[in-house]
Amino acid sequence: DTGVSQDPRHKITKRGQNVTFRCDPISEHNRLYWYRQTLGQGPEFLTYFQNEAQLEKSRLLSDRFSAERPKGSFSTLEIQRTEQGDSAMYLCASSFELDTQYFGPGTRLTVL
Amino acid sequence: QKEVEQNSGPLSVPEGAIASLNCTYSDRGSQSFFWYRQYSGKSPELIMFIYSNGDKEDGRFTAQLNKASQYVSLLIRDSQPSDSATYLCALSGGYQKVTFGIGTKLQVIP
Repeated sequence: DTGVSQDPRHKITKRGQNVTFRCDPISEHNRLYWYRQTLGQGPEFLTYFQNEAQLEKSRLLSDRFSAERPKGSFSTLEIQRTEQGDSAMYLCASSFELDTQYFGPGTRLTVL
Repeated sequence: QKEVEQNSGPLSVPEGAIASLNCTYSDRGSQSFFWYRQYSGKSPELIMFIYSNGDKEDGRFTAQLNKASQYVSLLIRDSQPSDSATYLCALSGGYQKVTFGIGTKLQVIP
């Protein structure tokens, strides 16, 4: 499988817990993006990496959110002290330079 | 004003008809335009991209871009029930942050 993969596909957690999601981009893609999508809305940009450098962060990314891409390959998105408002689909996408972005299957987070 | 405007629908068309999906945008600096299809509970899937004014055709899909009017559209010819999905209009300004609209829900009636 040469597409973008995300793990886990579903996560249910209790309010206040920390969660971490992983994204593996298409192997030759140097850019990696995180988006959040809630019901009835389009994906909202959170952050993106070029190789291991995090180049832009949205205002949506509060201090409870952190993303890393330590070796320029896979990336992790951590949410600390989850809130019910964090419930959403978290989407990862990758691209090669300024080429088109391709999305992974997403991680659906439910915060109880 | 939202950066990308789409009618949320639903847009209902009979099987075999042409579905016309429209999108307007506010940032004149936008350079790249995309249409993604999203089935319920799934992630967006790229359908078309267009960079230049005019039409771009790919099979049953035609993307149209008019930068002067800040308007982009997607035509789906010979609509099939399997085309029933939400269609997301998206654009980027060249530095690769992609902004999405809320999507238009298309229903193709057999």
